[in-house]
Amino acid sequence: EVQLVESGGGLVQPGRSLRLSCAASGFTFDDYAMHWVRQAPGKGLEWVSGISWNSGSIGYADSVKGRFTISRDNAKNSLYLQMNSPRAEDMAFYYCAKDYSSSWTGGAFDIWGQGTMVTVSS
Amino acid sequence: QSALTQEASVSGTVGQTVTLSCIGDSNTIGSYPVGWYQQISHGVPKTVMFGNSLASGIPDRFSGSKIGTTASLTISGLQPEDEADYYCSTWDYSLSAYVFGTGTKVSVL
Repeated sequence: EVQLVESGGGLVQPGRSLRLSCAASGFTFDDYAMHWVRQAPGKGLEWVSGISWNSGSIGYADSVKGRFTISRDNAKNSLYLQMNSPRAEDMAFYYCAKDYSSSWTGGAFDIWGQGTMVTVSS
Repeated sequence: QSALTQEASVSGTVGQTVTLSCIGDSNTIGSYPVGWYQQISHGVPKTVMFGNSLASGIPDRFSGSKIGTTASLTISGLQPEDEADYYCSTWDYSLSAYVFGTGTKVSVL
């Protein structure tokens, strides 16, 4: 069974740091690009970041560029999101999502994790 | 402001056919395939289709199409379990980012 399991969410103070993780199983992880997508309470979906199969190409939404860093460890079948200097507007459910292809651009989201909630508050 | 425009809500009775639309431009839907995502009661999003292909496990009463800069998702034979929010998404060449629509709430009367 294809599965994505996020962890690492919780309460973080504005300006501090938090690292989200996503453990993948049931598919060949290093064949596919991966993404982070978030949803603030009561709001719609927002793409956050994407990474190609070999980490050779990475992209970010303007709203997080310079503050968040996406990475992956293919040996551990894991995806990460390092959140530095979070703001109140970063508070959301963060979903890990598998791409249909090895490239993070021009594709779509195939499988979604159950999400992890990040609360930004002092 | 979302780059993709969707109806706020669509409703229908059981068995009826409803069509959701997603309006973009030449930088988005006009150039790239569209994904459709279902979210029931603010739960985990589920992929319905990408381009013209149904995602695994999705019943064939769902179908998608695209004409120019507008994509559509049609539910033929609406079922109670189809009541959900539906989001469209595609690549935006001008932003070098993915964009989502604002979402359409489908209600089954």
